[in-house]
Amino acid sequence: SAVISQKPSRDICQRGTSLTIQCQVDSQVTMMFWYRQQPGQSLTLIATANQGSEATYESGFVIDKFPISRPNLTFSTLTVSNMSPEDSSIYLCSVGMGRRGTEAFFGQGTRLTVV
Amino acid sequence: KQEVTQIPAALSVPEGENLVLNCSFTDSAIYNLQWFRQDPGKGLTSLLLIQSSQREQTSGRLNASLDKSSGRSTLYIAASQPGDSATYLCAVSLTGNQFYFGTGTSLTVIP
Repeated sequence: SAVISQKPSRDICQRGTSLTIQCQVDSQVTMMFWYRQQPGQSLTLIATANQGSEATYESGFVIDKFPISRPNLTFSTLTVSNMSPEDSSIYLCSVGMGRRGTEAFFGQGTRLTVV
Repeated sequence: KQEVTQIPAALSVPEGENLVLNCSFTDSAIYNLQWFRQDPGKGLTSLLLIQSSQREQTSGRLNASLDKSSGRSTLYIAASQPGDSATYLCAVSLTGNQFYFGTGTSLTVIP
């Protein structure tokens, strides 16, 4: 299994500003994933972050809005840029562990409110 | 694109009852399926992982089954307890890494 720590756990931000969310894993992992959970909805994958390469974004998500860093095998950041109230969500970091990364583990999430 | 649906959306049962949560998916070529629980304001806790070659997995009072050909999975909870109250999410993976999540079932177990 993996222990994943996310910071901050929650924040209230002004529209037009940016917030960077940090994700730290207690072991080295090849792939890290960022998800968004909008109020009352299920999780949607934003992007896959591989160490040493550009993140791969899912349809509907772009790098300018959600830049991601992956400087090493245990750490990643997601920035929510130029925020609007529609960005109010829970953002979750995830890793895959086991043979071929089969089991997903999640951080506790970052609850973001944009006012 | 993989679509994952969970029924019911919400469920309320008295303590001690056995219950079944349902999950269906549109693309049967999955690599694995995983059940999670999510408590309010918290992240996801992995409950059970079923590989595509498996039919079921058990952990304590939980039993998950998988029928790939029909695109269905069920999560059976025996002798429910108030501590089981949470949202239960089903997720499928096509490649073994990124997951597609269902809409969730909000479970309330009444003491």
